[in-house]
Amino acid sequence: GAVVSQHPSRVICKSGTSVKIECRSLDFQATTMFWYRQFPKQSLMLMATSNEGSKATYEQGVEKDKFLINHASLTLSTLTVTSAHPEDSSFYICSARDTDTQYFGPGTRLTVL
Amino acid sequence: AQSVTQLGSHVSVSEGALVLLRCNYSSSVPPYLFWYVQYPNQGLQLLLKYTSAATLVKGINGFEAEFKKSETSFHLTKPSAHMSDAAEYFCAVSESGGSYIPTFGRGTSLIVHP
Repeated sequence: GAVVSQHPSRVICKSGTSVKIECRSLDFQATTMFWYRQFPKQSLMLMATSNEGSKATYEQGVEKDKFLINHASLTLSTLTVTSAHPEDSSFYICSARDTDTQYFGPGTRLTVL
Repeated sequence: AQSVTQLGSHVSVSEGALVLLRCNYSSSVPPYLFWYVQYPNQGLQLLLKYTSAATLVKGINGFEAEFKKSETSFHLTKPSAHMSDAAEYFCAVSESGGSYIPTFGRGTSLIVHP
């Protein structure tokens, strides 16, 4: 199956700093990637759809100025959490679509102190 | 609109016993259906998918699922549970011919006792 990587796997930062998370499709090109957030013991919450070469589409309630998404190439999308606060601490997972199936990255554990 | 219901937030079985994880869906168009598995602190791994071919779908690690349109179900089964099967399982539905953005169920935690 298709492989999606995510970096870093975990990051700890101070409140007020920005954190960038990378999502790469390793063996296929993905015009569309997705960013999810997962709280403990809960399902995935779609945050935004990242489209190569155009602006991301954000789900209702997700602040686009706080969660900046860039999809500059067919294999790379980045999520930047700007001015992070403790309530942003979570598990962030990206996925990339290959035809009709989404393949997920291993996730990034963000802890904001 | 589409939705997924996973019955039972936790399922507990003994090692070697049958595994049955339930998933019911609703979709206004023919659905694509997926089962994903998530191990602690990891992303989701695709177990199997149904995309309008054979209704009985075989996946990795000995799992299989059967699409039953009349029951709007896509239950996941495995004949004999292994300790390594303990994980969180998510059922998802997307609409064929659409954006293929899946809607996920709340997840079922599979616990395997020795």
